[in-house]
Amino acid sequence: GAGVSQSPRYKVTKRGQDVALRCDPISGHVSLYWYRQALGQGPEFLTYFNYEAQQDKSGLPNDRFSAERPEGSISTLTIQRTEQRDSAMYRCASSLTTVSIFGFANTGELFFGEGSRLTVL
Amino acid sequence: GDSVTQMEGPVTLSEEAFLTINCTYTATGYPSLFWYVQYPGEGLQLLLKATKADDKGSNKGFEATYRKETTSFHLEKGSVQVSDSAVYFCALIGAQGGSEKLVFGKGTKLTVNP
Repeated sequence: GAGVSQSPRYKVTKRGQDVALRCDPISGHVSLYWYRQALGQGPEFLTYFNYEAQQDKSGLPNDRFSAERPEGSISTLTIQRTEQRDSAMYRCASSLTTVSIFGFANTGELFFGEGSRLTVL
Repeated sequence: GDSVTQMEGPVTLSEEAFLTINCTYTATGYPSLFWYVQYPGEGLQLLLKATKADDKGSNKGFEATYRKETTSFHLEKGSVQVSDSAVYFCALIGAQGGSEKLVFGKGTKLTVNP
């Protein structure tokens, strides 16, 4: 498809299990973002990549959370030893970013996927 | 760090009423400002943007003007429709510390009744 694709759409797991959430961005988009959105709240930044390089991971809550984008396309967000407080909608977005001798310049127009809803029992 | 503050919702209006949703920001440097919209059951999508002071972003009858002196980017529409019912998020992207992360407000839910 032409949009950002996330899987699984719904994931129910037991406390202590590991989960992996996948994001397939729009082809050709340089930047890929991960956000977490609690019910009734705005998206909370987790991390982002330009190509395969993780540019900013300051939003990852703790070391149980990690993300990778090894080939600069598909990305995986992994949560180890899940806890109930990890329950939320996890949203992936990709965006066009220009690259020049001055570096990266993001347009700020993010294309979001439909999200992966994680429930930890 | 960079942050965005939106007016508390929810907002309920009748069709054809005037809409204002307030947004103020805190950022170092000169951020770009955005309004995103999330329709029921859908992902977020860009509504409009402004990249420098005094710019006006507009789309689908919505407008917002980048006011540096008041650090604001209020969203307005002269006559809302039922189809405008959604959650609206103000956001900014700065260059704090070299990161180009998009920072969102908490969102304002709008319901328009016929």
